[in-house]
Amino acid sequence: NAGVMQNPRHLVRRRGQEARLRCSPMKGHSHVYWYRQLPEEGLKFMVYLQKENIIDESGMPKERFSAEFPKEGPSILRIQQVVRGDSAAYFCASSPTTYEQYFGPGTRLTVT
Amino acid sequence: DQQVKQNSPSLSVQEGRISILNCDYTNSMFDYFLWYKKYPAEGPTFLISISSIKDKNEDGRFTVFLNKSAKHLSLHIVPSQPGDSAVYFCAASAEGQGAQKLVFGQGTRLTINP
Repeated sequence: NAGVMQNPRHLVRRRGQEARLRCSPMKGHSHVYWYRQLPEEGLKFMVYLQKENIIDESGMPKERFSAEFPKEGPSILRIQQVVRGDSAAYFCASSPTTYEQYFGPGTRLTVT
Repeated sequence: DQQVKQNSPSLSVQEGRISILNCDYTNSMFDYFLWYKKYPAEGPTFLISISSIKDKNEDGRFTVFLNKSAKHLSLHIVPSQPGDSAVYFCAASAEGQGAQKLVFGQGTRLTINP
């Protein structure tokens, strides 16, 4: 059973560009979560999605950030007009119906 | 507002001895607690969890203890092995608040010395 897949693993964007991060959950998992980790900090919750639904986006910045989990295909975290402060590691996690969340390897976004 | 706190940024333990990592929380609504281990440039790996209806859960070398009155949990690793060197994160969730989102502590870097 393949684990949570994230791509790209590393992404470099110039200020003002768009960043798209993709996440494929583990087989059989219908719950997807996105977290962000800034250097020397813990992970911070951003958004929780199920297929075609955003369940909880209380951790998402109000502007420039959006997430989706379509009926077909991976979940996408989209950051428009990136700024230097968006540089971080972005982790996706998935879960079946229990509390345990299984994390992908992360996407390291660098904004230059 | 740091709801989950790991007050020790780092811990160094001799191989074969017990490692004890601590975590405190402030939100009394938390009802499920998890420990994750993280190597550099990788995602967190789930280790062990405990429900608030229990005070202890054991899995091999790993045991988690929960003291609800003190709002404190700890992870014991015995015996410690060099491969245990990593950053350990404590996390908590509250079923009634935000559909299973996890609140993480800042992490403790554990180093096992040979």
